[in-house]
Amino acid sequence: GDSVTQMEGPVTLSEEAFLTINCTYTATGYPSLFWYVQYPGEGLQLLLKATKADDKGSNKGFEATYRKETTSFHLEKGSVQVSDSAVYFCALRAQSGGSNYKLTFGKGTLLTVNP
Amino acid sequence: EAGVAQSPRYKIIEKRQSVAFWCNPISGHATLYWYQQILGQGPKLLIQFQNNGVVDDSQLPKDRFSAERLKGVDSTLKIQPAKLEDSAVYLCASSLEGPGEQYFGPGTRLTVT
Repeated sequence: GDSVTQMEGPVTLSEEAFLTINCTYTATGYPSLFWYVQYPGEGLQLLLKATKADDKGSNKGFEATYRKETTSFHLEKGSVQVSDSAVYFCALRAQSGGSNYKLTFGKGTLLTVNP
Repeated sequence: EAGVAQSPRYKIIEKRQSVAFWCNPISGHATLYWYQQILGQGPKLLIQFQNNGVVDDSQLPKDRFSAERLKGVDSTLKIQPAKLEDSAVYLCASSLEGPGEQYFGPGTRLTVT
């Protein structure tokens, strides 16, 4: 079945450091790929997405590129801020001709950014 | 625009008791999802509704869990009887239409003792 594997956390960085959170997936066909973020005390929010190979999703300085050849969707940010401290989830939605649109999530990576 | 509302936010019960959670999706959203998020894991879909019909409930433990979405608007998820392993955050999400962005509520944190 479909699955998502993302790097184990927690990740602790200093402000302005470069961030990479690795994510790889297993799925048939061409799934859509997502990064969700969960700030402390809040619900999950969509951070960015990509729906086909070589697409780059971007938002709030974060980027991720859909790599079909390596089945990856790594999250990057060039300079993190304290306010980026949160749990980040990689997820996929299987390519489907029906009406099932469930998301399959990775386990999440806790990011802490220190001033 | 109001987001997805869930209640209660927290619930503590003893095993073998029953509990119910409520979700009110964003107005006009046809698709509603219930996910279970166990500590240290990503959310897992329990059930997906399209209007008031069930699309996918393959991972819903039907011997103890039930869900309904009467009138195609708000929804309730019930657990009866609860087990210790049901301790988790229960997330509700909705989307305007199936493949659209899913908007998540704040979740209900259930602790079963």
